[in-house]
Amino acid sequence: SSELTQDPAVSVALGQTVRITCQGDSLRRYYASWYQQRPGQAPVLLVYNQNNRPSGIPDRFSGSTSGNTASLTISGAQAEDEADYYCSSRDTSDNRVFGGGTKLTVL
Amino acid sequence: QVQLQESGPGLVKPSVTLSLSCTVSGGSVSNGAYYWTWIRQPPGKGLEWIGYIYGTGSTNYNPSLRGRVTISVDTSKNQFSLRVTSVTAADRAVYYCARGSGSGNYHFDLWGRGTPVSVSS
Repeated sequence: SSELTQDPAVSVALGQTVRITCQGDSLRRYYASWYQQRPGQAPVLLVYNQNNRPSGIPDRFSGSTSGNTASLTISGAQAEDEADYYCSSRDTSDNRVFGGGTKLTVL
Repeated sequence: QVQLQESGPGLVKPSVTLSLSCTVSGGSVSNGAYYWTWIRQPPGKGLEWIGYIYGTGSTNYNPSLRGRVTISVDTSKNQFSLRVTSVTAADRAVYYCARGSGSGNYHFDLWGRGTPVSVSS
């Protein structure tokens, strides 16, 4: 299956660490990439190729994979991290797929 | 600095063909290191990959939309375009163009701001 499954909502206390997960069979073979989308804005690439960050992305964002689960970890969550987060990957037919998204609330 | 900018009608009638364009500035759609993608987001919902095209013209489409969508590239205008036939209310969404990058494992490293499309008679 090329589907990616994310928890719909996650919350974290300000300054604490939170992990957002993404499950799918394709993740056993291909890396996930992660995107942040604030309300009314376009998504922004956060992490790609397991744990690479584009220039300008804070190092509190990190990625990892174990088995069929990819994770985005935010270490020391800030108020501005409150947003929707999406994982994406590919399948063996070279199609691209997105997870359903996780809404992160920073308490 | 490469930028992407979508353009389109904003409002289309049911059953017609929707046409959108994405203009690439500061770079070339012919750059073989990248591919060019359309992604959409219905109101209040998640992201849906529509398809992509390489500068060579090679394409791939979401199986759920294959047969209704066509992506093309115009190197003379440095643009790529999306056509969606027989639109319905389910095609109402914000449409994003994005640049795809990577080899083997892929990611979308650059996005346009998005253009909203409504479907109504």
